Amino acid sequence: RKEVEQDPGPFNVPEGATVAFNCTYSNSASQSFFWYRQDCRKEPKLLMSVYSSGNEDGRFTAQLNRASQYISLLIRDSKLSDSATYLCVVNEAGGGADGLTFGKGTHLIIQP
Amino acid sequence: NAGVTQTPKFQVLKTGQSMTLQCAQDMNHEYMSWYRQDPGMGLRLIHYSVGAGITDQGEVPNGYNVSRSTTEDFPLRLLSAAPSQTSVYFCASSHSGTGVEQPQHFGDGTRLSIL
Repeated sequence: RKEVEQDPGPFNVPEGATVAFNCTYSNSASQSFFWYRQDCRKEPKLLMSVYSSGNEDGRFTAQLNRASQYISLLIRDSKLSDSATYLCVVNEAGGGADGLTFGKGTHLIIQP
Repeated sequence: NAGVTQTPKFQVLKTGQSMTLQCAQDMNHEYMSWYRQDPGMGLRLIHYSVGAGITDQGEVPNGYNVSRSTTEDFPLRLLSAAPSQTSVYFCASSHSGTGVEQPQHFGDGTRLSIL
């Protein structure tokens, strides 16, 4: 059974701080990795894809460690609006919807 | 650009009733999926489709039917509603292919309560 594990949190972080959380996956054949953001009572929305070389989008940095089978998300200079649940999503090579495995999410609360 | 549209947004049913959750996308995506999201369980795949006329079961298909007569539409039918089907249902779509990026685009969900 494919597993994607996340620390559910909540992570309580003061505004302006840097926060990071990881996601581990069990299927070594996984090829595509994503971070989604889900606000309370809303749909998940793509935050960023995770590339092998790591990638950055503004205050957000995603890293992939294939050897240890985890991906990470770093948020710098956190804002109140960053409060949300962050879902880790892993896709098998060539997989469509049936190849996706969702983590249960990490709940982040940015405090003023 | 509407993206993925789900209707209704809220629904209350009695045990044993049937209903259809509607999902439509206007992005010409080949793949469409239905998920349910329950507290502490994360998103679980119910059924999915890789193109018109093709559907397949996901992780939790029992009690649900789907059909894909067009590229745009992917309705989910509850045959005989049970309290265990109380959940938030999300429809999603994506492009097919073996590219690295196949992000899912989600509808805004249907909140379903079965009494």
